[in-house]
Amino acid sequence: QKEVEQDPGPLSVPEGAIVSLNCTYSNSAFQYFMWYRQYSRKGPELLMYTYSSGNKEDGRFTAQVDKSSKYISLFIRDSQPSDSATYLCAMSAQSGNTPLVFGKGTRLSVIA
Amino acid sequence: GAVVSQHPSWVICKSGTSVKIECRSLDFQATTMFWYRQFPKQSLMLMATSNEGSKATYEQGVEKDKFLINHASLTLSTLTVTSAHPEDSSFYICSARRDRGQPQHFGDGTRLSIL
Repeated sequence: QKEVEQDPGPLSVPEGAIVSLNCTYSNSAFQYFMWYRQYSRKGPELLMYTYSSGNKEDGRFTAQVDKSSKYISLFIRDSQPSDSATYLCAMSAQSGNTPLVFGKGTRLSVIA
Repeated sequence: GAVVSQHPSWVICKSGTSVKIECRSLDFQATTMFWYRQFPKQSLMLMATSNEGSKATYEQGVEKDKFLINHASLTLSTLTVTSAHPEDSSFYICSARRDRGQPQHFGDGTRLSIL
């Protein structure tokens, strides 16, 4: 079993839809959880950064962490064509001493 | 803030050439910088971690004599691919982190093509 599992998609939705992206993980020591957006031929851009369980909202984006289920989610409300990109989840056990473990990324297309 | 600049964005060169890639944190001081490699439709693979003023720590399977990393200041790290060959062609991405407990911020990557 891989440490972090993420459905690669592709996921195609109409403009304005609510998008749900998810990752599951196996390492119960993970405490720091991130979502990155990566456009083609660009580096990842940090969207959300959360510690431990709970929800965090930033504009149209909401991140949820359920440590009991080892499951994290990113919701995008009112999706736009400009949201079309690959979304990577990433996590680490300790912020300083252990490397980030990435999911493989989910390719999202928002159709106008 | 938290802007990371990476240069060059694209380089094409002949086999046997050495290539240097720069990574700069523009609006913050980065105690730690990271270098990744990414193959098409794959996730990021960590190559090495460097702390300012210290030798880089390389991941298993990454040749330290092939991929030279220098982190001379809190805002600059360089990756030199020595005697590059076609199999070194890839997308190389750096990231920088202010301090422990802070997230990594990524540069826009360097597309390296070795002919």
